[in-house]
Amino acid sequence: SQTIHQWPATLVQPVGSPLSLECTVEGTSNPNLYWYRQAAGRGLQLLFYSVGIGQISSEVPQNLSASRPQDRQFILSSKKLLLSDSGFYLCAWSQGAYGYGYTFGSGTRLTVV
Amino acid sequence: QKEVEQNSGPLSVPEGAIASLNCTYSDRGSQSFFWYRQYSGKSPELIMSIYSNGDKEDGRFTAQLNKASQYVSLLIRDSQPSDSATYLCAVEQGGSEKLVFGKGTKLTVNP
Repeated sequence: SQTIHQWPATLVQPVGSPLSLECTVEGTSNPNLYWYRQAAGRGLQLLFYSVGIGQISSEVPQNLSASRPQDRQFILSSKKLLLSDSGFYLCAWSQGAYGYGYTFGSGTRLTVV
Repeated sequence: QKEVEQNSGPLSVPEGAIASLNCTYSDRGSQSFFWYRQYSGKSPELIMSIYSNGDKEDGRFTAQLNKASQYVSLLIRDSQPSDSATYLCAVEQGGSEKLVFGKGTKLTVNP
């Protein structure tokens, strides 16, 4: 069966510090991968998605970047965090075919102080 | 801009009642629709999917789809306090498998 791992679960970082969040998927190959952010009281905002190694699409311009160095690994990064980067970050994967929906990781709660 | 609209709630129902959650979407090309449940502080969990007009039942949950009206709903029968969560409607964009999420409806089931 497929599983998705996301870490760390919580993170408190000072403004201006770098960020690296990692997500890995097991039990499948060539998944579509997604990074979402959910700010307090708000909906899910798609940040990045990837359909293959090295292929990254950005949905919104921001202080973040994403990379996919391996088939089942997706990394969200920032060189300098802003207060507005605080939120609940969720990684998700899908089969890459219509009708299957997404499976989410357990999420990382980031607080920038 | 593809949109998915949900009443933000909160929706409060007594234990044992039917909870009705509604969702409308703007993309007429959408073919796949999903309901996610998100407990406070946790990640969303897929609970129902529906692709054809009509009803789809799974235990206490029934999803309803009306593509002509661009309307999706989720009924929860015999609501339990453990059903208290935020329910997210997600719609697959026509021509892609990207999902657009609504902002969610917070449901509280009172014992």
